[in-house]
Amino acid sequence: LAKTTQPISMDSYEGQEVNITCSHNNIATNDYITWYQQFPSQGPRFIIQGYKTKVTNEVASLFIPADRKSSTLSLPRVSLSDTAVYYCLVGGGTDKLIFGTGTRLQVFP
Amino acid sequence: GAGVSQSPRYKVAKRGQDVALRCDPISGHVSLFWYQQALGQGPEFLTYFQNEAQLDKSGLPSDRFFAERPEGSVSTLKIQRTQQEDSAVYLCASSFLGQGASTEAFFGQGTRLTVV
Repeated sequence: LAKTTQPISMDSYEGQEVNITCSHNNIATNDYITWYQQFPSQGPRFIIQGYKTKVTNEVASLFIPADRKSSTLSLPRVSLSDTAVYYCLVGGGTDKLIFGTGTRLQVFP
Repeated sequence: GAGVSQSPRYKVAKRGQDVALRCDPISGHVSLFWYQQALGQGPEFLTYFQNEAQLDKSGLPSDRFFAERPEGSVSTLKIQRTQQEDSAVYLCASSFLGQGASTEAFFGQGTRLTVV
């Protein structure tokens, strides 16, 4: 299972765009990239998943370069409620998801 | 139900006591996962079921930990002779298939276990 590396923490202000980059140099051909969000006292929540290029949903965008060795989660115009821990994971098929320590995003007013 | 349900939400156990944590997955979900999350850390994989079959239990920290899913739906994580290091949040997740490609895993709110 590919290991991921992401910043431990990030700070932002309301209304700004936040980009969290994750590196996964050993990603396998059949691996997908998935991001989860976790609020205190709650389980992780799926945000977005992609394989290559760009994926966008109502919450975020995921940018994946051609070599797939990294990915960037983009949160447009964050609000205080986006303060959470964000996890980047890679895996494929029925692989169990391996969580790292995640990126702790703090949004200030 | 609408989501993954775990009970109890909180459990305080005396050291040496046995505990049982319950997970009700989303109806129809084939896969069920248990994770352990220590304070300030990411969830750590414990075990995985596909229907009633336990396909991976490589993350169970010791033989005091036991999980079952006898009818392929509800699952129970049992911890025998609890120790203080077992104190953590135990998360259950379910998905229609596996957790990797093109599947979304749904997590419960977890059970916070405190061993005193």
